[in-house]
Amino acid sequence: EAGVAQSPRYKIIEKRQSVAFWCNPISGHATLYWYQQILGQGPKLLIQFQNNGVVDDSQLPKDRFSAERLKGVDSTLKIQPAKLEDSAVYLCASSLAGPNEQFFGPGTRLTVL
Amino acid sequence: AQSVTQPDIHITVSEGASLELRCNYSYGATPYLFWYVQSPGQGLQLLLKYFSGDTLVQGIKGFEAEFKRSQSSFNLRKPSVHWSDAAEYFCAVGLNDMRFGAGTRLTVKP
Repeated sequence: EAGVAQSPRYKIIEKRQSVAFWCNPISGHATLYWYQQILGQGPKLLIQFQNNGVVDDSQLPKDRFSAERLKGVDSTLKIQPAKLEDSAVYLCASSLAGPNEQFFGPGTRLTVL
Repeated sequence: AQSVTQPDIHITVSEGASLELRCNYSYGATPYLFWYVQSPGQGLQLLLKYFSGDTLVQGIKGFEAEFKRSQSSFNLRKPSVHWSDAAEYFCAVGLNDMRFGAGTRLTVKP
Protein backbone atom coordinates (compact mmCIF):
# COMPACT_ATOMS: atom_id res chain seq x y z
CA GLU A 1 0.00 0.00 0.00
CA ALA A 2 1.45 3.36 -1.02
CA GLY A 3 1.84 5.90 1.74
CA VAL A 4 1.02 9.58 1.84
CA ALA A 5 2.94 11.43 -0.83
CA GLN A 6 4.06 15.03 -0.55
CA SER A 7 5.95 17.34 -2.83
CA PRO A 8 8.23 19.11 -2.93
CA ARG A 9 10.36 17.77 -0.09
CA TYR A 10 12.26 21.01 0.30
CA LYS A 11 11.54 24.58 -0.69
CA ILE A 12 13.47 27.79 -0.15
CA ILE A 13 11.80 31.10 -0.94
CA GLU A 14 12.15 34.74 -0.01
CA LYS A 15 9.67 36.51 2.18
CA ARG A 16 6.63 37.90 0.38
CA GLN A 17 6.87 35.19 -2.28
CA SER A 18 4.17 32.56 -2.66
CA VAL A 19 4.54 28.80 -2.37
CA ALA A 20 2.35 25.75 -2.79
CA PHE A 21 2.57 22.25 -1.39
CA TRP A 22 0.89 19.17 -2.72
CA CYS A 23 -0.37 16.07 -0.93
CA ASN A 24 -1.74 12.79 -2.21
CA PRO A 25 -3.30 10.76 0.61
CA ILE A 26 -3.59 7.01 0.90
CA SER A 27 -6.21 5.70 -1.48
CA GLY A 28 -9.62 5.51 0.13
CA HIS A 29 -8.79 7.79 3.05
CA ALA A 30 -11.61 10.27 3.48
CA THR A 31 -9.92 12.55 6.01
CA LEU A 32 -6.91 14.68 5.17
CA TYR A 33 -4.94 16.93 7.51
CA TRP A 34 -2.34 19.64 7.01
CA TYR A 35 -0.02 20.39 9.92
CA GLN A 36 2.70 22.96 10.50
CA GLN A 37 5.64 21.76 12.60
CA ILE A 38 8.02 24.48 13.65
CA LEU A 39 11.44 23.28 14.78
CA GLY A 40 11.29 22.04 18.37
CA GLN A 41 7.50 22.03 18.53
CA GLY A 42 4.71 19.57 18.01
CA PRO A 43 2.62 19.53 14.85
CA LYS A 44 -0.05 22.21 14.77
CA LEU A 45 -3.21 21.39 12.85
CA LEU A 46 -3.85 23.92 10.11
CA ILE A 47 -6.82 22.38 8.36
CA GLN A 48 -8.76 19.13 8.27
CA PHE A 49 -10.83 17.93 5.34
CA GLN A 50 -13.50 15.26 5.30
CA ASN A 51 -13.72 14.32 1.63
CA ASN A 52 -13.72 17.76 -0.01
CA GLY A 53 -15.34 19.62 2.88
CA VAL A 54 -13.52 21.51 5.62
CA VAL A 55 -14.04 20.12 9.13
CA ASP A 56 -11.67 22.35 11.06
CA ASP A 57 -9.62 25.36 9.91
CA SER A 58 -9.67 27.29 13.16
CA GLN A 59 -5.87 27.52 13.32
CA LEU A 60 -5.29 28.37 9.66
CA PRO A 61 -4.03 31.96 9.16
CA LYS A 62 -6.57 32.71 6.50
CA ASP A 63 -5.08 36.05 5.52
CA ARG A 64 -2.16 34.23 3.91
CA PHE A 65 -2.83 30.50 3.95
CA SER A 66 -5.34 28.65 1.81
CA ALA A 67 -6.01 25.01 1.12
CA GLU A 68 -8.25 23.01 -1.11
CA ARG A 69 -9.09 19.40 -1.71
CA LEU A 70 -10.81 19.22 -5.02
CA LYS A 71 -12.64 15.97 -5.75
CA GLY A 72 -11.86 14.77 -2.24
CA VAL A 73 -8.48 13.24 -3.10
CA ASP A 74 -5.36 15.37 -3.61
CA SER A 75 -4.88 18.55 -1.68
CA THR A 76 -2.81 21.70 -2.03
CA LEU A 77 -1.76 24.14 0.66
CA LYS A 78 -0.72 27.64 -0.41
CA ILE A 79 1.01 30.47 1.39
CA GLN A 80 0.81 33.93 -0.13
CA PRO A 81 2.73 36.00 0.82
CA ALA A 82 5.19 34.05 2.96
CA LYS A 83 6.70 35.44 6.13
CA LEU A 84 9.89 34.47 7.92
CA GLU A 85 7.88 32.78 10.68
CA ASP A 86 6.36 30.40 8.14
CA SER A 87 9.64 28.48 8.05
CA ALA A 88 8.63 25.00 9.18
CA VAL A 89 7.93 21.48 8.05
CA TYR A 90 4.47 21.10 6.54
CA LEU A 91 3.05 17.67 7.15
CA CYS A 92 0.15 16.05 5.40
CA ALA A 93 -1.67 13.12 6.98
CA SER A 94 -4.67 11.03 6.09
CA SER A 95 -6.99 8.63 7.86
CA LEU A 96 -9.83 6.38 6.82
CA ALA A 97 -12.40 8.54 8.54
CA GLY A 98 -12.32 11.07 11.31
CA PRO A 99 -10.03 10.80 14.33
CA ASN A 100 -8.61 7.42 13.49
CA GLU A 101 -4.99 6.45 13.04
CA GLN A 102 -3.35 9.10 10.90
CA PHE A 103 -0.70 8.18 8.38
CA PHE A 104 1.82 10.93 7.82
CA GLY A 105 3.73 11.90 4.75
CA PRO A 106 7.45 12.78 4.82
CA GLY A 107 6.71 16.50 4.98
CA THR A 108 7.87 19.55 3.07
CA ARG A 109 10.58 21.61 4.72
CA LEU A 110 10.03 25.29 3.93
CA THR A 111 12.70 27.89 4.52
CA VAL A 112 11.71 31.53 4.14
CA LEU A 113 14.66 33.92 3.79
CA ALA B 1 -9.96 25.41 24.84
CA GLN B 2 -8.39 22.11 23.96
CA SER B 3 -4.78 21.68 25.00
CA VAL B 4 -2.19 18.97 25.41
CA THR B 5 0.69 19.24 27.86
CA GLN B 6 3.82 17.15 27.84
CA PRO B 7 5.63 18.43 30.93
CA ASP B 8 9.00 16.89 30.12
CA ILE B 9 10.87 18.47 27.23
CA HIS B 10 13.79 16.06 27.42
CA ILE B 11 14.29 12.77 29.26
CA THR B 12 17.43 10.66 29.46
CA VAL B 13 17.28 7.03 30.53
CA SER B 14 19.79 4.20 30.52
CA GLU B 15 19.31 1.33 28.14
CA GLY B 16 17.29 -1.37 29.89
CA ALA B 17 15.71 1.03 32.33
CA SER B 18 11.99 1.69 32.48
CA LEU B 19 10.40 4.73 30.88
CA GLU B 20 7.35 6.85 31.53
CA LEU B 21 6.42 9.87 29.41
CA ARG B 22 3.69 12.10 30.74
CA CYS B 23 0.75 13.58 28.88
CA ASN B 24 -2.07 15.68 30.30
CA TYR B 25 -4.92 17.17 28.33
CA SER B 26 -7.74 19.62 28.63
CA TYR B 27 -10.79 18.86 26.54
CA GLY B 28 -14.53 19.37 26.74
CA ALA B 29 -15.28 15.68 26.54
CA THR B 30 -13.20 12.52 26.66
CA PRO B 31 -11.24 12.70 23.44
CA TYR B 32 -9.51 10.01 21.48
CA LEU B 33 -5.91 9.73 22.65
CA PHE B 34 -2.79 8.88 20.70
CA TRP B 35 0.95 8.55 21.07
CA TYR B 36 3.20 9.07 18.05
CA VAL B 37 6.96 8.71 17.66
CA GLN B 38 9.17 10.74 15.34
CA SER B 39 12.72 9.66 14.67
CA PRO B 40 15.20 12.13 13.18
CA GLY B 41 14.44 12.66 9.53
CA GLN B 42 11.48 10.28 9.73
CA GLY B 43 7.78 10.81 9.60
CA LEU B 44 5.43 10.40 12.53
CA GLN B 45 4.44 6.85 13.38
CA LEU B 46 1.53 5.80 15.57
CA LEU B 47 2.55 3.86 18.69
CA LEU B 48 -0.89 3.32 20.19
CA LYS B 49 -4.35 4.82 20.56
CA TYR B 50 -7.23 4.87 23.02
CA PHE B 51 -10.83 5.27 21.93
CA SER B 52 -12.78 3.51 24.69
CA GLY B 53 -12.84 0.38 26.82
CA ASP B 54 -9.86 -0.98 28.71
CA THR B 55 -7.87 1.97 30.00
CA LEU B 56 -4.53 0.17 29.56
CA VAL B 57 -3.66 -0.06 25.90
CA GLN B 58 -0.85 -1.93 24.26
CA GLY B 59 1.02 -0.59 21.28
CA ILE B 60 3.86 -1.45 18.98
CA LYS B 61 7.51 -1.80 20.00
CA GLY B 62 6.59 -2.87 23.55
CA PHE B 63 4.94 0.41 24.53
CA GLU B 64 1.79 0.75 26.59
CA ALA B 65 -0.24 3.67 27.88
CA GLU B 66 -2.79 4.13 30.61
CA PHE B 67 -5.76 6.46 30.39
CA LYS B 68 -6.75 8.02 33.71
CA ARG B 69 -9.95 10.01 33.33
CA SER B 70 -9.77 11.54 36.82
CA GLN B 71 -6.33 12.94 36.08
CA SER B 72 -6.92 13.75 32.39
CA SER B 73 -3.73 11.87 31.68
CA PHE B 74 -2.49 9.36 29.13
CA ASN B 75 1.05 8.42 30.12
CA LEU B 76 3.25 6.27 27.93
CA ARG B 77 5.37 3.52 29.44
CA LYS B 78 7.91 0.93 28.46
CA PRO B 79 9.44 -1.54 30.92
CA SER B 80 12.86 -1.76 29.26
CA VAL B 81 14.15 0.88 26.86
CA HIS B 82 16.30 0.01 23.86
CA TRP B 83 18.81 2.35 22.22
CA SER B 84 16.60 2.42 19.13
CA ASP B 85 13.82 4.06 21.16
CA ALA B 86 15.70 7.36 21.13
CA ALA B 87 13.34 9.74 19.33
CA GLU B 88 10.77 12.47 19.85
CA TYR B 89 7.45 11.36 21.32
CA PHE B 90 4.19 13.22 20.82
CA CYS B 91 0.90 12.86 22.62
CA ALA B 92 -2.16 13.84 20.60
CA VAL B 93 -5.84 14.18 21.47
CA GLY B 94 -8.96 14.96 19.53
CA LEU B 95 -12.43 14.10 18.37
CA ASN B 96 -13.16 15.96 15.16
CA ASP B 97 -9.96 17.92 15.58
CA MET B 98 -6.45 16.96 16.55
CA ARG B 99 -4.09 18.67 18.98
CA PHE B 100 -0.51 17.58 19.54
CA GLY B 101 1.67 18.21 22.56
CA ALA B 102 5.05 19.90 22.20
CA GLY B 103 6.84 16.58 22.41
CA THR B 104 9.34 14.86 24.71
CA ARG B 105 12.77 14.08 23.38
CA LEU B 106 14.11 10.76 24.65
CA THR B 107 17.82 10.11 24.88
CA VAL B 108 19.02 6.60 25.70
CA LYS B 109 22.37 6.17 27.43
CA PRO B 110 24.35 3.00 26.75
